Amino acid sequence: EDQVTQSPEALRLQEGESSSLNCSYTVSGLRGLFWYRQDPGKGPEFLFTLYSAGEEKEKERLKATLTKKESFLHITAPKPEDSATYLCAVQALGGGATNKLIFGTGTLLAVQP
Amino acid sequence: ETGVTQTPRHLVMGMTNKKSLKCEQHLGHNAMYWYKQSAKKPLELMFVYNFKEQTENNSVPSRFSPECPNSSHLFLHLHTLQPEDSALYLCASSQDTSPYEQYFGPGTRLTVT
Repeated sequence: EDQVTQSPEALRLQEGESSSLNCSYTVSGLRGLFWYRQDPGKGPEFLFTLYSAGEEKEKERLKATLTKKESFLHITAPKPEDSATYLCAVQALGGGATNKLIFGTGTLLAVQP
Repeated sequence: ETGVTQTPRHLVMGMTNKKSLKCEQHLGHNAMYWYKQSAKKPLELMFVYNFKEQTENNSVPSRFSPECPNSSHLFLHLHTLQPEDSALYLCASSQDTSPYEQYFGPGTRLTVT
């Protein structure tokens, strides 16, 4: 069964304290892995798509990496405005005509000034 | 309006009521989705429409009835809901169904009393 597990469930950082969030996945074949950011009371905001092991993408203080079993979202020198829930989702090969994303439960990040 | 919009943002309804959620995307996309987000649970895909045709019904109870009159609009008709249906209902759209990233609306917070 296709599955996505995110860790930790919650993470509290001091401003400027770099860290990483983990997304482990089990799929029959990976078509794509997606990272989203979700602020309270809002819909998820798209951040990155990764397609193959070894791929990396960056946006401001965020960098996403991908291996055959997991993805990391590295946050460098975070600021309080980076506080949010970060969601990981995968799309498996053989998903048919739909773009079915399998989501993890997310990591709640709090960055304190 | 830009992106994906949803109305209403908040809805309280009794178990015998009938109501509808509306979603509109201004991105020129061809695929639209309904998701349910409950506390401590991953996002659950409910329905997928591609070029106005439903391509996925993820074993959703019949008290939820989707309608997609065109590629820009998506409705979710609700009737005789249960308290456990209280959740954040998110609409998303994508250029096509695979493997394109999905863009989400702000959601409708539904409370069933």
